[in-house]
Amino acid sequence: KAGVTQTPRYLIKTRGQQVTLSCSPISGHRSVSWYQQTPGQGLQFLFEYFSETQRNKGNFPGRFSGRQFSNSRSEMNVSTLELGDSALYLCASSPFGGNRETQYFGPGTRLLVL
Amino acid sequence: AQTVTQSQPEMSVQEAETVTLSCTYDTSENNYYLFWYKQPPSRQMILVIRQEAYKQQNATENRFSVNFQKAAKSFSLKISDSQLGDTAMYFCALNTDKLIFGTGTRLQVFP
Repeated sequence: KAGVTQTPRYLIKTRGQQVTLSCSPISGHRSVSWYQQTPGQGLQFLFEYFSETQRNKGNFPGRFSGRQFSNSRSEMNVSTLELGDSALYLCASSPFGGNRETQYFGPGTRLLVL
Repeated sequence: AQTVTQSQPEMSVQEAETVTLSCTYDTSENNYYLFWYKQPPSRQMILVIRQEAYKQQNATENRFSVNFQKAAKSFSLKISDSQLGDTAMYFCALNTDKLIFGTGTRLQVFP
């Protein structure tokens, strides 16, 4: 099976702009989770989607949002970008989500906000 | 609150030697899973090994094994016969309803 794919791989934006990142899970996986990785804060959970519904959410401001489509592909959106949003954004998928499953990660999208 | 602590920011080991990475965690849940992930310079997060909390037997995956002490909430990773390709950041993670990661241990394997 093909792994988790994320597009784009690299992105440069300026403060105040918005950005949309995309994630295609492993075929058959219906749960998609998003994580932000920064040198200062480490790896932090953003949100999880399952069957087009947000099932869990981390402690991030409302500027961070996401959605999931009927084919399980997911997008996350960050509006009004701030310098601190510069990070590696990782997407992970699993068949149904929850604590019993292994999450498989994509290669990430590196976002630089200038 | 659920937390994961990795107290060794950096470690180094010579090729073919054995190294142990430490991890402690805290959760009030009884049903959870623990993972070790590896992140090489390519930044791709790769699963190394997983442990179900209800299983007393320590998980093993080829050269990788864990020492899971549930009462002590400890979950260390032992890498035997270290190889140059093991050079990476290693993250311990706790999964209750989402993955909570430790801060990582940077492992350098020297020839």
